[in-house]
Amino acid sequence: GENVEQHPSTLSVQEGDSAVIKCTYSDSASNYFPWYKQELGKRPQLIIDIRSNVGEKKDQRIAVTLNKTAKHFSLHITETQPEDSAVYFCAANTGNQFYFGTGTSLTVIP
Amino acid sequence: SQTIHQWPATLVQPVGSPLSLECTVEGTSNPNLYWYRQAAGRGLQLLFYSIGIDQISSEVPQNLSASRPQDRQFILSSKKLLLSDSGFYLCAWTTGGGAPNSPLHFGNGTRLTVT
Repeated sequence: GENVEQHPSTLSVQEGDSAVIKCTYSDSASNYFPWYKQELGKRPQLIIDIRSNVGEKKDQRIAVTLNKTAKHFSLHITETQPEDSAVYFCAANTGNQFYFGTGTSLTVIP
Repeated sequence: SQTIHQWPATLVQPVGSPLSLECTVEGTSNPNLYWYRQAAGRGLQLLFYSIGIDQISSEVPQNLSASRPQDRQFILSSKKLLLSDSGFYLCAWTTGGGAPNSPLHFGNGTRLTVT
């Protein structure tokens, strides 16, 4: 089955700096890659996604890039703010299954 | 618009007691439904998923079971809880019927503590 690896597990940045989280996947059949943000004690919420026929997608301060050949995709957050502090999960979708990375705890230091 | 309801929000149960968590989805038909568990500070573990009524796949063989008695209703059960069953249980749905590239939408979760 699919295996999704996510790095780093923890990340601290100064407010205003950029944050990058990287994920790799193993199954070339995976064709959809959502990213979720989970605040403490709450449910994961979709923040951005990318499909396999697209290389990059941007939504305000958040962007995602996908390299199908290398089987990796990344989340980029620019101009970070304290409210960006949360755990971020990447996922790869194959058929009916979603395979999640182990999460990155992002702390934005004011 | 579609909404997902999950209850209860919190639950404290003694070891050996039964469990029933319920999830319903509104505003869509024939969704794919999922149960995930999240231990404290950990990732998302898929427990069960269902692509239709009475079509349930188990990802983790243990003392939990799932049922889908209606199209938009998904129930997680146990006959006898273990301490290791404590965690944050999340129900989720996505568009079914083979629709590609649809995100998972999570319910608010149930925080279960087994004592």
